[in-house]
Amino acid sequence: EDQVTQSPEALRLQEGESSSLNCSYTVSGLRGLFWYRQDPGKGPEFLFTLYSAGEEKEKERLKATLTKKESFLHITAPKPEDSATYLCAVLTLDTGRRALTFGSGTRLQVQP
Amino acid sequence: GAVVSQHPSWVICKSGTSVKIECRSLDFQATTMFWYRQFPKQSLMLMATSNEGSKATYEQGVEKDKFLINHASLTLSTLTVTSAHPEDSSFYICSASTPTPGMYEQYFGPGTRLTVT
Repeated sequence: EDQVTQSPEALRLQEGESSSLNCSYTVSGLRGLFWYRQDPGKGPEFLFTLYSAGEEKEKERLKATLTKKESFLHITAPKPEDSATYLCAVLTLDTGRRALTFGSGTRLQVQP
Repeated sequence: GAVVSQHPSWVICKSGTSVKIECRSLDFQATTMFWYRQFPKQSLMLMATSNEGSKATYEQGVEKDKFLINHASLTLSTLTVTSAHPEDSSFYICSASTPTPGMYEQYFGPGTRLTVT
């Protein structure tokens, strides 16, 4: 059974204090790892897709990396508007199913 | 690009009634749409996958007779919660996937908050 574990569960940072969020996974046949941002009462907003170990992608203050067992979302010099829940999901292709399995998320709060 | 809308954004209904939620891909054609459910402070749980023109595939434990899914066109999928009960109260989110080969991103709608009284 595919499993995705995110840590920490919650993270409080001061504005400008860089940090990393972790997503570790156990899947058979990874086809992609996705990062999403979710604000309260909203649907997830797509951030990144990573397909193979060693791959990195950046967007503004965010950088996502992938190894064979985990992914990191690095946040450099965060601002209060970066406060949200960050979700990691893995995609496996199983007998025709194309399903995302989500982790429980990391709630990030950036204080000014 | 890749915008997905949902309607309504919130709905309150009485126990025993049915509620329909619409999911539309606004600027792309979605051969596959997904329906998720999210309880407070929990992550998203996939309910079903729907492909245009065919029957939906439900996840284990999801009652297909209670959660009716229709994917009649490449831009519209609907979820109907039949004979709703208070335990069906939740945040329902749809997503859509582009048909581009090798690209598996799912783009999510804003969600629908269902409250059953």
